[in-house]
Amino acid sequence: GAGVSQTPSNKVTEKGKYVELRCDPISGHTALYWYRQSLGQGPEFLIYFQGTGAADDSGLPNDRFFAVRPEGSVSTLKIQRTERGDSAVYLCASSASPVREQYFGPGTRLTVT
Amino acid sequence: DAKTTQPTSMDCAEGRAANLPCNHSTISGNEYVYWYRQIHSQGPQYIIHGLKNNETNEMASLIITEDRKSSTLILPHATLRDTAVYYCIVRDNAGNMLTFGGGTRLMVKP
Repeated sequence: GAGVSQTPSNKVTEKGKYVELRCDPISGHTALYWYRQSLGQGPEFLIYFQGTGAADDSGLPNDRFFAVRPEGSVSTLKIQRTERGDSAVYLCASSASPVREQYFGPGTRLTVT
Repeated sequence: DAKTTQPTSMDCAEGRAANLPCNHSTISGNEYVYWYRQIHSQGPQYIIHGLKNNETNEMASLIITEDRKSSTLILPHATLRDTAVYYCIVRDNAGNMLTFGGGTRLMVKP
């Protein structure tokens, strides 16, 4: 079946601009996670949704970052006033339940110039 | 989550077994051991997980010591496509996020 998909695969934006990154989880998966991976590092947790609600947003670095999942399926990660330090690969993962294994998408590579 | 310690890198000859160690000496009774791998420019891929019994699936085997303070991921017949960074993660049974460390960079050589 279809895996987790993320769009766009690459995004280049100028410092100060607003960006939206989209995640389509595996159909039927209720848990959805966002991670960020900088070059040479392991992924770092940002936020976790169970259904439509953010169950844990402790990994969001500051209030410029926000994520939604209005219908409990597709999620959008939103970054306001982008900074060069936001450049990274943003990964989305989903699982059938919070205690099950997570399946990752290919990521969106964000470059802030 | 308990922290894990893995070697930074390992080499393995193609066709031979790759044995990747992981130390998790502070693991709690309700924490599982998960293994993921990340091939260059791809998202992490789930491999296997276990609590205290050894586990095997089509990708790999997971051997957990009796005291649960360490584990070994075994790829029985490594191929060039197994070249990747392998992450050992401990995670409690409440779920939530995965905490990735540095992982082991496995290089499978012809």
